[in-house]
Amino acid sequence: GAVVSQHPSWVICKSGTSVKIECRSLDFQATTMFWYRQFPKQSLMLMATSNEGSKATYEQGVEKDKFLINHASLTLSTLTVTSAHPEDSSFYICSASPNTGELFFGEGSRLTVL
Amino acid sequence: QKEVEQDPGPLSVPEGAIVSLNCTYSNSAFQYFMWYRQYSRKGPELLMYTYSSGNKEDGRFTAQVDKSSKYISLFIRDSQPSDSATYLCAMTPNSGNTPLVFGKGTRLSVIA
Repeated sequence: GAVVSQHPSWVICKSGTSVKIECRSLDFQATTMFWYRQFPKQSLMLMATSNEGSKATYEQGVEKDKFLINHASLTLSTLTVTSAHPEDSSFYICSASPNTGELFFGEGSRLTVL
Repeated sequence: QKEVEQDPGPLSVPEGAIVSLNCTYSNSAFQYFMWYRQYSRKGPELLMYTYSSGNKEDGRFTAQVDKSSKYISLFIRDSQPSDSATYLCAMTPNSGNTPLVFGKGTRLSVIA
């Protein structure tokens, strides 16, 4: 299947700092990528849809000023958690589709805010 | 009623057993159905992808979709300890660049 890569796989930061997570489609171009968040023993919750060259579309209840999404190229989307707080600690996962209908996920990035 | 219902388990079976995992859904517009396997602290891995009703087989895995009943299943034959993971069903009305609606996931343990 297609490969979606995320970096970093885990990060620990102090409260109040910002953290950037990268999502790359390695062997295909993706005009759209999706960002999900997953709390322990919970399912994936869609946060936002990242669109190349335009603004992201956020799900209800997700603060766009806190979770900044930039989709600057057809193979890269970034999620920046600004002024992170302990309640932002979670597993963040991106996904993308090579337009075959299937959706592939990155390995996920585990954020721990102290 | 949630859009996608999935029993969270945990489900524990002996090695070699046939495992049946199921999801029900309420949105009749869903046409594309997927099963993902997720190991602890890893991203979901696509196992099966099916369109509309019918069966699809891939090795030890068989996916079934019954749109009339709004019910999908994943069968695992000759289950192995390495199959121990959380299995998530997911579905969407459209293919490609549309977000998926996920079930909560079923935790499976295959005991050697």
